[in-house]
Amino acid sequence: DVKVTQSSRYLVKRTGEKVFLECVQDMDHENMFWYRQDPGLGLRLIYFSYDVKMKEKGDIPEGYSVSREKKERFSLILESASTNQTSMYLCASSFFTSGTETQYFGPGTRLLVL
Amino acid sequence: GDSVTQMEGPVTLSEEAFLTINCTYTATGYPSLFWYVQYPGEGLQLLLKATKADDKGSNKGFEATYRKETTSFHLEKGSVQVSDSAVYFCALSDPPSSGGSNYKLTFGKGTLLTVNP
Repeated sequence: DVKVTQSSRYLVKRTGEKVFLECVQDMDHENMFWYRQDPGLGLRLIYFSYDVKMKEKGDIPEGYSVSREKKERFSLILESASTNQTSMYLCASSFFTSGTETQYFGPGTRLLVL
Repeated sequence: GDSVTQMEGPVTLSEEAFLTINCTYTATGYPSLFWYVQYPGEGLQLLLKATKADDKGSNKGFEATYRKETTSFHLEKGSVQVSDSAVYFCALSDPPSSGGSNYKLTFGKGTLLTVNP
């Protein structure tokens, strides 16, 4: 079974803090993604990566950065956390096959910024 | 750009009722279509998918048929159970041969389903 793990289920941070969210997958997938999930807005893509050290902006990259130094690990960084970044963050990974994209998701990190 | 529109919830049903969750899409080419489900406190997991027109995806009693003429991918189940209570997301992937990115999924906003005993 594919396993995607996220470093924390719940996180509470202060405004202005630097926040690291870690994601690890064990299936040798090329692609990794970070989404945020908010009520009434569904999932919105923040960043994705299709290879080590490669990244592309998603739909809402402002206020975030990412790092992918190893194939299995994809980190989301909030340089200076703000209250409007309070959200559920979901990591996903996929192996590109035949033009279909089955993504495998981690359990999510619920971040509260005070 | 690509977009997915699904019926707004919440949807509340009694056990053994028939379920339909509507999903329509807009895409530049010929996308693959997906339904993901999110059970309480968990991440999303793939429920079913279809990769070309008239394909039917099915899993756990759920079905959805890729209708290119109506750009739809409605989710159905003949008899829901309490354990089906979850949030359901419709999504599409537009592969590069038709101009889309081969990496990204576009999601609908999700539909909360509650099934009462």
